[in-house]
This record gives sequence, C-alpha cells and structure tokens, in this order.
Amino acid sequence: EPEVTQTPSHQVTQMGQEVILRCVPISNHLYFYWYRQILGQKVEFLVSFYNNEISEKSEIFDDQFSVERPDGSNFTLKIRSTKLEDSAMYFCASSPVGYTFGSGTRLTVV
Amino acid sequence: GENVEQHPSTLSVQEGDSAVIKCTYSDSASNYFPWYKQELGKRPQLIIDIRSNVGEKKDQRIAVTLNKTAKHFSLHITETQPEDSAVYFCAALRGNQFYFGTGTSLTVIP
Repeated sequence: EPEVTQTPSHQVTQMGQEVILRCVPISNHLYFYWYRQILGQKVEFLVSFYNNEISEKSEIFDDQFSVERPDGSNFTLKIRSTKLEDSAMYFCASSPVGYTFGSGTRLTVV
Repeated sequence: GENVEQHPSTLSVQEGDSAVIKCTYSDSASNYFPWYKQELGKRPQLIIDIRSNVGEKKDQRIAVTLNKTAKHFSLHITETQPEDSAVYFCAALRGNQFYFGTGTSLTVIP
C-alpha cells in the first residue's frame, strides 16, 4: 500500500534556529497538507498545497512558516525561527484517496 | 469556519462491550467525515469514513452514522478488544480543510 513518508522522524533544534521537515507524498496525489499535533492535543491544520501554491492556511501558519515543493516528489515545511511552542508532532498528508498521513516528525525545540 | 466537538474525551469499556463516540459539526457545507485511530506516538490511521449523502456505513465491527439535519455523526465499535484501545479522532471536511475533534481516549479493559 502506498505510504506518505516523512523525514526525519525526530528533530531537536535550538530556539531561533531554522528547521526543514520533509515529506514524500503518494505519487499520484495532488493535494498536500501539513498538520501538527502538540502532545496530548488534537490534530491542527496548518496548510494545504495544490498546483504548486498554497490553497489554504490556518492562523497558526504565520510568516515564520513556509512550504515548498522543490521537485516532483518532495514537499517541505520550513520553520524559519523556531520557538518553544513549535514543539509538536508534524504530520504531512496527501489526498484525495482516504487522506493518508505520514508517520510524522517529532520536533523538539529547546 | 467549522467547529467540531467530540465526546466523550475518555471512555472505558469492558472487553466485548460496545463503544460509541459522538461528534458534532457546525457547518452544513462539510461533506466528508472520516474517523481516525491514533495509537501512542503513531500517525492517525483512517478506520472508516462517511460522505454526506450516506446515512450509515459499516465495516466489520466498526460503523459510522451521520445525521445531517442534526449535524452529528458517531463511531460505533462493537465487540471491543484490547487492541481497540487508542485515541480516536473525528474530522469534518469543509472545502479543502479538515477540522478535527479533540479526540477520545478509549480503553478496553480485558
């Protein structure tokens, strides 16, 4: 069964540093998403991406966040200057079939 | 925007009993309602979904019902087993964005 893959599985970074989270969506999917889940809380939408541009974003997705599809397979989330409250599990997802989540990247900002 | 509420937040049942989790949504434009099971530290996994033109869907021990008029949908798990223990999230798709419930931690007691 096709999978959405994410790397790294765990990243620790110092506050103020930039991080890039990587995702490889399912190849024939057209919509890509980033979600985050702060420990013990619900999954929150960050951004959706279609046709090489952002189609929708939440209030969480402020100027320190950006997304890119640098080539035909990868989909990245960049956090420019990390804050402690950015510590969370970040899930990439792609659709339309069943809306498949990646295995997540646990980001820890220290 | 959409607002999804989920109840209960925790649920304990004896093995073999049924479990019911309920979600309400606010926006009648939402048209797709998936349920996800999330085991500790893992990605949300789609377990069942329902579209707005269907009232009920069943897959073995799992069923989902949708009441469009009342704007609520429910997950039913029959003959629960210890491996059903997990956090379950409902979601509603409005436009291009999923809105998640706050999760229900289900514990099945052997």
